[in-house]
Amino acid sequence: NAGVTQTPKFRILKIGQSMTLQCAQDMNHNYMYWYRQDPGMGLKLIYYSVGAGITDKGEVPNGYNVSRSTTEDFPLRLELAAPSQTSVYFCASSYPRAGGLENEQFFGPGTRLTVL
Amino acid sequence: GQQVMQIPQYQHVQEGEDFTTYCNSSTTLSNIQWYKQRPGGHPVFLIQLVKSGEVKKQKRLTFQFGEAKKNSSLHITATQTTDVGTYFCAGGNSGGGADGLTFGKGTHLIIQP
Repeated sequence: NAGVTQTPKFRILKIGQSMTLQCAQDMNHNYMYWYRQDPGMGLKLIYYSVGAGITDKGEVPNGYNVSRSTTEDFPLRLELAAPSQTSVYFCASSYPRAGGLENEQFFGPGTRLTVL
Repeated sequence: GQQVMQIPQYQHVQEGEDFTTYCNSSTTLSNIQWYKQRPGGHPVFLIQLVKSGEVKKQKRLTFQFGEAKKNSSLHITATQTTDVGTYFCAGGNSGGGADGLTFGKGTHLIIQP
């Protein structure tokens, strides 16, 4: 199994440009997440999905959009890039909550995005 | 909303010294998870604690969950250079919901040989 894969690994955008960060997992996980991690900081949840066709906002959704057409894929879209979106973006996946408890999350290698 | 605070933010130790990071939640947690992120890498799951007062060990790492399920700690005995990285705690939402875990800001462990 490849686990969680993300593309691209690095990207530089100009202000106002758009791009899609790709995320895929081959573990048949229902739950998928997008986080951003600013330098030296923790992880902030952008969006999450509990299954194909279902998405919801996390802590910091402004400036981003997601879709979940299949169980495997969960792309993150930036429509009008801003310098404040310079960050490392991690995609993660997990099995659904069981017995009221979250399962461990498996993270992808991340995409390092710079907006100039 | 739920907040998870971690201290210290940075910890410098000499190789061979012990290290402890502490995690505190503003609300009661359903469970707490710990992750390690190597420099330039991604978070990797270490362990999950579920029961009040639970203690688990992984070789030189000892994890504790508080009696009130609002705090936790990770202790590393006799640090090695391979322990370098950032250690995150992540609290589970006892109120339910699928929005997963609330991560602390992490403790950066720096080891001087």
